[in-house]
Amino acid sequence: NAGVTQTPKFRILKIGQSMTLQCTQDMNHNYMYWYRQDPGMGLKLIYYSVGAGITDKGEVPNGYNVSRSTTEDFPLRLELAAPSQTSVYFCASSWLQGNKNIQYFGAGTRLSVL
Amino acid sequence: KQEVTQIPAALSVPEGENLVLNCSFTDSAIYNLQWFRQDPGKGLTSLLLIQSSQREQTSGRLNASLDKSSGRSTLYIAASQPGDSATYLCAVRHNAGGTSYGKLTFGQGTILTVHP
Repeated sequence: NAGVTQTPKFRILKIGQSMTLQCTQDMNHNYMYWYRQDPGMGLKLIYYSVGAGITDKGEVPNGYNVSRSTTEDFPLRLELAAPSQTSVYFCASSWLQGNKNIQYFGAGTRLSVL
Repeated sequence: KQEVTQIPAALSVPEGENLVLNCSFTDSAIYNLQWFRQDPGKGLTSLLLIQSSQREQTSGRLNASLDKSSGRSTLYIAASQPGDSATYLCAVRHNAGGTSYGKLTFGQGTILTVHP
């Protein structure tokens, strides 16, 4: 099973450039999430989605945009890259199993903005 | 605002030792708590999930405890092996009206190295 797939694995951007981080899952999960992880820190939620067509802001949404046109895909858009966005980005998906909501993570995208 | 802290930040032990990783959180109104493992260059893998009504969960050599009133959880690893070397993160899920829809707040992780 592929699970959660993120592309690209690595990317270097110049300040002001834009890019889209791709995320797709093949588990038919309703919930999808984008996190960033800075060195030595835990993950912080950027945006999340509870289903196709529905998105909401997380803890650190500034400088990012998302869309959820299908159940499978949840791309993250950076419009004007800034050095502060240098980080590792993780996409995750989940569904509710009774009272459990276990998230499955992709391998991450390592982004450097120079 | 929920804050999650993990101690120690890093731990190095010889193979075979039993060890304890600590996690504390400031808001006891949680729905559940999860422990994750993260290998270098990889995503997170869920190890154990403890519901707020539970005191502990076990999986193989791993045992996680939860004391919600004091805002603490521990992850106990028995008979550690080099393959246990990884970063371990705990995360608490907010209690969103008694459902599992609440968001996760992560600690910064403990980097564990087990020497052969």
